[in-house]
Parts: sequence; structure tokens; C-alpha cells
Amino acid sequence: SAVISQKPSRDICQRGTSLTIQCQVDSQVTMMFWYRQQPGQSLTLIATANQGSEATYESGFVIDKFPISRPNLTFSTLTVSNMSPEDSSIYLCSGGDAGELFFGEGSRLTVL
Amino acid sequence: KNEVEQSPQNLTAQEGEFITINCSYSVGISALHWLQQHPGGGIVSLFMLSSGKKKHGRLIATINIQEKHSSLHITASHPRDSAVYICAPWRAGSYQLTFGKGTKLSVIP
Repeated sequence: SAVISQKPSRDICQRGTSLTIQCQVDSQVTMMFWYRQQPGQSLTLIATANQGSEATYESGFVIDKFPISRPNLTFSTLTVSNMSPEDSSIYLCSGGDAGELFFGEGSRLTVL
Repeated sequence: KNEVEQSPQNLTAQEGEFITINCSYSVGISALHWLQQHPGGGIVSLFMLSSGKKKHGRLIATINIQEKHSSLHITASHPRDSAVYICAPWRAGSYQLTFGKGTKLSVIP
């Protein structure tokens, strides 16, 4: 199994600022994903993080707002840009291969 | 209609009770995850099923692909089982998960 570490685990941010969340996997994984969970809602896929190329975004999510990097098979970052209170959510990273998927502990973001 | 329906949405049980959470889905899948989300937000994958039944400790998960239905059972429930349980079918031909809204379980001592 793989262990996924996310940083920060939580943060309080001011409106208009940006925050980068890091996701580190302790082994190489083919697929990495970023999800958002707004209060009281189910998880929603933001994008698939592709190693060495631009991320694949789901409908309703754009690169300018949620730029994603994936420089190698063990690491990815998600930036939440120009934050507003509506961005207050839990952001989750997951990664896996061949049917197995592992999740990070989540980053709880509050925007004031 | 949602692609994934979980029931019940909320469940309160006495310690020691047998718990069942149900999941019905409408998409074609290659497998299905049962996830446990802790109050802090972190998620753990409990099971990945593509057929039949799996058991891990007090947890049992079953799936019927033809009926597009899965169940998660907890035997001898304990307060530490209190969490949100999420059904997440894995779409056929894709690495994307579709998530249910979750079942919030509270086990009272």
C-alpha cells in the first residue's frame, strides 16, 4: 500500500490570496487526483494530475483558478488562486495504480 | 437521479449492534470502493471490490454487479467506528471515482 502525506493539514487564509497544497506519496503511482469537498457535500473531482504535462480538469474547474503541478510520479501540488469564502473546503489528494487508490488526510481550508 | 445512492444518510447505533449501509449505482463499473472519512476530513479506503465479498476484521463488504448494489456491514459496532462511510464506484474504462453522499454513522456507548 502507499502512504500519502498532504500539507498543510489546515489553514486560514485571507480573501484574494493563494495557497498551495502539497501531496507526497511514499512510492511511485501512475495516477494522482485532486478532489474538493465543500461543507456538507460529497467529494468532487477537480482534476487528474498528469506527470510532465498539463492536468486534466473536470467541468467547472479551470487551470487559472486551480493550477496543478506534477513533476514526478510521487509528488503533486494544487494551488487555490485568488481565494474567496466559497473556496472554503477540504481538498484531498489521491493516488494509485491498477485499481488501488489511496487518499491523503485532506487539507481543510477556511477563507475569511 | 444521482448516479450513486447511499442509504441511510444518517445512522445512530448502540455499541455492539450490527450495522448495514447500502449503496446502489447506475454507472457501469470495474470496481467499487468503500471509504471511511474521519471527522478531520482524512479518508481511508476500507475495501475495493469487483465481485463477491471481502472481510477485514469486523468489516464485511459485498457487491452484486448484476444488481448494481453493494453493502457494507459492521459487526459488533464500536464508538470508534463513528465516521462517514462513502461508496465510490470506479467507472469502467476510467480511473475516475463517482462518490456517494456518504452515510454518517454514530455509535453510542
